[in-house]
Amino acid sequence: DMKVTQMPRYLIKRMGENVLLECGQDMSHETMYWYRQDPGLGLQLIYISYDVDSNSEGDIPKGYRVSRKKREHFSLILDSAKTNQTSVYFCASSLLQGKYFGPGTRLTVL
Amino acid sequence: GDSVTQTKGPVTLSEGTSLTVNCSYETKQYPTLFWYVQYPGEGPQLLFKVPKANEKGSNRGFEATYDKGTTSFHLQKASVQESDSAVYYCVLGDPTNAYKVIFGKGTHLHVLP
Repeated sequence: DMKVTQMPRYLIKRMGENVLLECGQDMSHETMYWYRQDPGLGLQLIYISYDVDSNSEGDIPKGYRVSRKKREHFSLILDSAKTNQTSVYFCASSLLQGKYFGPGTRLTVL
Repeated sequence: GDSVTQTKGPVTLSEGTSLTVNCSYETKQYPTLFWYVQYPGEGPQLLFKVPKANEKGSNRGFEATYDKGTTSFHLQKASVQESDSAVYYCVLGDPTNAYKVIFGKGTHLHVLP
């Protein structure tokens, strides 16, 4: 069963706290992604990972970093979260341009 | 730069009526085009890839054909159902990177029973 999982599904943090969002996939896809989705802005690409320890900035990487130590796991890290990072975050994986998305993590930064 | 522009929603239809979501694209390269759908509380999922110009892509009763002359690939369905209520995204593959795509802003469809 081809699946992308995300943990946690909901998270509330205070400004300045660190945030770790985790993503897993069971399809052995080399390429994984982090997006955020905001009303009126659609989906914005934060980072792409082409394989283990091979990560590349997307369109809005500022304030985020990523870690990929195993092909099936991809983490998004917010060091000292800001209120404008309140959003829904989606992880995805793909063979090429057709992507499989996870169910999302709704992050609220107070 | 490359871009996609789609019907601004929300679009509200009654069950059994037809749907068209307009989408146009700009690119200097040969386009790779997709439609994605996002149901409430879920991530986007690939609806289908639109193949070559003048060929039809389709899935679950939805279809789209891309017109090279007008640089458009409108999404259509002859008879919508309440379960089709979702956000629909037209997507352009980034010709400079096989792994990147450009999402449109999305069109929110409400289908009334």
